[in-house]
Order: sequence, then structure tokens, then C-alpha cells
Amino acid sequence: DVKVTQSSRYLVKRTGEKVFLECVQDMDHENMFWYRQDPGLGLRLIYFSYDVKMKEKGDIPEGYSVSREKKERFSLILESASTNQTSMYLCATRTGSPYEQYFGPGTRLTVT
Amino acid sequence: DAKTTQPTSMDCAEGRAANLPCNHSTISGNEYVYWYRQIHSQGPQYIIHGLKNNETNEMASLIITEDRKSSTLILPHATLRDTAVYYCIVRVEGNRDDKIIFGKGTRLHILP
Repeated sequence: DVKVTQSSRYLVKRTGEKVFLECVQDMDHENMFWYRQDPGLGLRLIYFSYDVKMKEKGDIPEGYSVSREKKERFSLILESASTNQTSMYLCATRTGSPYEQYFGPGTRLTVT
Repeated sequence: DAKTTQPTSMDCAEGRAANLPCNHSTISGNEYVYWYRQIHSQGPQYIIHGLKNNETNEMASLIITEDRKSSTLILPHATLRDTAVYYCIVRVEGNRDDKIIFGKGTRLHILP
């Protein structure tokens, strides 16, 4: 079974803090994704990576950056957290079949 | 990408087969049908996908009509743990970002 783990299930941070969300997968998948999910807005793609050290912007990259130093690890960084970044953050990987994506359990981030 | 239409919610008795319909009347020849579900407070979970033929795996069966304008996801023996929002997606394979875009989905309630 594919396993995608995220560093925290729940996180509370203050405005202006730098926040790191980690995602680790154990299936040697090349593609990894970061989404956020908000009520009424659905799932929105922040960044994705199709190889080590490669990254591409998704639909809403502003305020975020990513790091992919190793194939199994994809980190999402909030440079200076703001209250509008309060959300559920979901990491995913995919097999060769593009829409067969495997999601982690999610990190519910609250920025106060 | 073709648009999908799903009922907002459905109920199913525990132990019975849950049949979740999806209309995708504008589907084109190279678009696949994918199903995901999301249990409350968890990340989305890939279930199954297909192009033309019916498909079955350990979780579910996917029945696609001959004209491909609609499909049905079947959970053969629903349990309380199958209570979730189920998303039907239609998408061409091969795009680089391959982001998931969920519609509103069907909220399935399994009744004891």
C-alpha cells in the first residue's frame, strides 16, 4: 500500500511565523503535490513537483514555497503565515496514471 | 474537461450495495472516469477509474454505460466506514500538473 505521511495533523501558528509542512511518501513516486482545501472552494493546487529539485506553481502559489531535496520528501513552506492561510493542507503523490493520486491524512493549520 | 453531475446526497442501509451515479454527457473519447472519496477530516482516497470497460477492484466496481455518458460506482456491501463524500471526475490523462479538481460530490450516508 502507498503510504503518504504528513508531519502534523493539527498545527496552530501565529501570524508572521515561518511554517514548514512536511510530506513523505514511501512508494518511489516521482510526482508530488500540495493542495489546500477550504469549504466552498474545494481542492486547490498550490505547488507540484515531478522530480527532485523540480517544482512548478499550481493555481495559488502566492505566499508559499516548496522544497524537494529528496524524492520521497516534499515540503511546503509558508514564509510568513497569515490568517487567510488557515486551511486543511493535503499532500499527494501519483503513480504513472495521472489521476490515481494518493493523499496524506492532511494537516489542519490554524493561523491566529 | 467534461463536467460531471452527481446527486447531492444518498442514503444506503448497512450491508446493502451502494450505487452512486454520475452523469458526464459531454465526455470525449480520451477522457477517463475516476472516483475518489473523502471521509470526514481525512485526505481524499482514490477508489477506481476506467475508460470504456467495467472495472472492479477490492474496494468497488465501476460500471460505464456503452455511450460513456454516465457511470455508476458500486460499493457491494456498504459499511458504516463507507460514509463519505464521493467524487466523480472526468479527465484526459497526460497533463503535466494533473491536478485534481473535485466537484461537490455525493454525500453518502450509510445507515445502521
